[in-house]
Amino acid sequence: DQQVKQNSPSLSVQEGRISILNCDYTNSMFDYFLWYKKYPAEGPTFLISISSIKDKNEDGRFTVFLNKSAKHLSLHIVPSQPGDSAVYFCASFSGSARQLTFGSGTQLTVLP
Amino acid sequence: DAGITQSPRHKVTETGTPVTLRCHQTENHRYMYWYRQDPGHGLRLIHYSYGVKDTDKGEVSDGYSVSRSKTEDFLLTLESATSSQTSVYFCAISESDGRDTEAFFGQGTRLTVV
Repeated sequence: DQQVKQNSPSLSVQEGRISILNCDYTNSMFDYFLWYKKYPAEGPTFLISISSIKDKNEDGRFTVFLNKSAKHLSLHIVPSQPGDSAVYFCASFSGSARQLTFGSGTQLTVLP
Repeated sequence: DAGITQSPRHKVTETGTPVTLRCHQTENHRYMYWYRQDPGHGLRLIHYSYGVKDTDKGEVSDGYSVSRSKTEDFLLTLESATSSQTSVYFCAISESDGRDTEAFFGQGTRLTVV
């Protein structure tokens, strides 16, 4: 029973275009959402986060959107660069459980 | 980079043997976590600690135990390794319980149980 789902295992985009990575969650108790990026043979690194009281957070080329009614989270990368090629994990935090729950990840490939 | 070190980085062990993985931090962060990463499952929480000698179970804790006798060290033990425990294990640390703060991950330990 996955509480956080990333339904697209992979995504390919052209350099310079927009990358949109999606994430759905089922637990309405989640109150904080994060995106992590992971390169091969390395640990995940934090990318961007958003509180459940907001619907958008922006950091340079990265923007996260939260649609609470749809229980949907998305990460936009504009413009995409070859160095963005990595696995992206969305994660949700529940204050009551004190745990980060991760999705299964999406492999993003940015083609030069 | 956050000061977090996992050891060993790679290990091959036989079914039925005990295995201990170590996570060491130099950041004095209160929270420490053990995750495993498997294809199609992402990162799943095994155990976590919110202070010295304070630990709790995560989503996939069966077959694993942990100990934290010092702030800087968090040990994960497989009492009797099974092939289903072949995985990549990540340790993570955070200053607080995750809300409004990021978790920093180690580089991972690739464990193979044969």
